[in-house]
Amino acid sequence: EPEVTQTPSHQVTQMGQEVILRCVPISNHLYFYWYRQILGQKVEFLVSFYNNEISEKSEIFDDQFSVERPDGSNFTLKIRSTKLEDSAMYFCASSEDSQNSPLHFGNGTRLTVT
Amino acid sequence: AQSVTQLGSHVSVSEGALVLLRCNYSSSVPPYLFWYVQYPNQGLQLLLKYTSAATLVKGINGFEAEFKKSETSFHLTKPSAHMSDAAEYFCAVSVYGNKLVFGAGTILRVKS
Repeated sequence: EPEVTQTPSHQVTQMGQEVILRCVPISNHLYFYWYRQILGQKVEFLVSFYNNEISEKSEIFDDQFSVERPDGSNFTLKIRSTKLEDSAMYFCASSEDSQNSPLHFGNGTRLTVT
Repeated sequence: AQSVTQLGSHVSVSEGALVLLRCNYSSSVPPYLFWYVQYPNQGLQLLLKYTSAATLVKGINGFEAEFKKSETSFHLTKPSAHMSDAAEYFCAVSVYGNKLVFGAGTILRVKS
């Protein structure tokens, strides 16, 4: 069964550094998402992306965050200047459509900001 | 705004016993409801979803959930727990699109 793949599985970075989290969604999916889970807290929606633009974003997704689909297969989340509070598990997800098809999640990237 | 409350952050059952994980939702419009499972070091896997068709939804691995509008509940059940069911389970709600609002999760422990 096709799956969403995320790299790296664990990223350690220093505060103030830029990080790029990478995802390869399922090939025939059109909608892409980033969610995150801070340790001990709920999984939270960050952003959804369709047709090469952001379709919705949460309050968390401020100017420090950006997403991009640089080619036909990758979907990236960039954090420009990481803060300690950005430490979390970041999940990429994709779906065939925006309503009726389920999200397929990757295994996540654990980001640790020191 | 939508919200989800999962009662019990930890649930422990014996192998072969009934599994019942509770989820209550709040939504001003008819919701879509989901249960996801997360095994250690893995992503979230969809167990089942309710999208306004049948109120009793059957999912993978023998799990099912019943949508009860009057109780605003969507509890997850499995008649007989297996050791492999040990994981964290998340209830989620959405109204439009795939912007899911998740509950805090329930860790299921299965005792032999």
